[in-house]
Amino acid sequence: DSGVTQTPKHLITATGQRVTLRCSPRSGDLSVYWYQQSLDQGLQFLIQYYNGEERAKGNILERFSAQQFPDLHSELNLSSLELGDSALYFCASSPTGGLGEQYFGPGTRLTVT
Amino acid sequence: LAKTTQPISMDSYEGQEVNITCSHNNIATNDYITWYQQFPSQGPRFIIQGYKTKVTNEVASLFIPADRKSSTLSLPRVSLSDTAVYYCLVGANTNAGKSTFGDGTTLTVKP
Repeated sequence: DSGVTQTPKHLITATGQRVTLRCSPRSGDLSVYWYQQSLDQGLQFLIQYYNGEERAKGNILERFSAQQFPDLHSELNLSSLELGDSALYFCASSPTGGLGEQYFGPGTRLTVT
Repeated sequence: LAKTTQPISMDSYEGQEVNITCSHNNIATNDYITWYQQFPSQGPRFIIQGYKTKVTNEVASLFIPADRKSSTLSLPRVSLSDTAVYYCLVGANTNAGKSTFGDGTTLTVKP
């Protein structure tokens, strides 16, 4: 158990819909990262927040957005969902904003039908 | 961004030492090398990180030559439970967003 929690575990929704994925980092970790992992694209970095502020942006679509709240939990919002958005979405946290040890959550499996 | 190249797959047998090499020819001066392990449908798990020479912890060793253009993850005496995908990441410790997970190496340990 990494100490990072993600909800929900599974999510099934239809195309065009909007969903919110939630992540609670390990206690004391200031940095939160979001990743998408699909079968054909591997693990893709989406976005990173550090202490409430956006720190780095990766291959995140404009339909996707994220934020980190004052209590350090983070939410990833996915809108106008397409079939290709079906994937595992991981959240990770780390004490610093650096590349150092990231602790990954169990992931949310999103299925868009 | 430092691009990494790893073997797509490797096979080994229980009890053997496994060495997985990662090439990162354009590594920058302030880049670190980090390895993660991932089991199916689980989040990656940090294994080890290093900057130069050799780093060892309770599960693995990381060897980095002087030119830092490659690195080798060494897993001593593997077991069936070490069957997983292993990722090599290269990036600055100040900005994790600038590093990427490559395709990884699928290690299969056989009895």
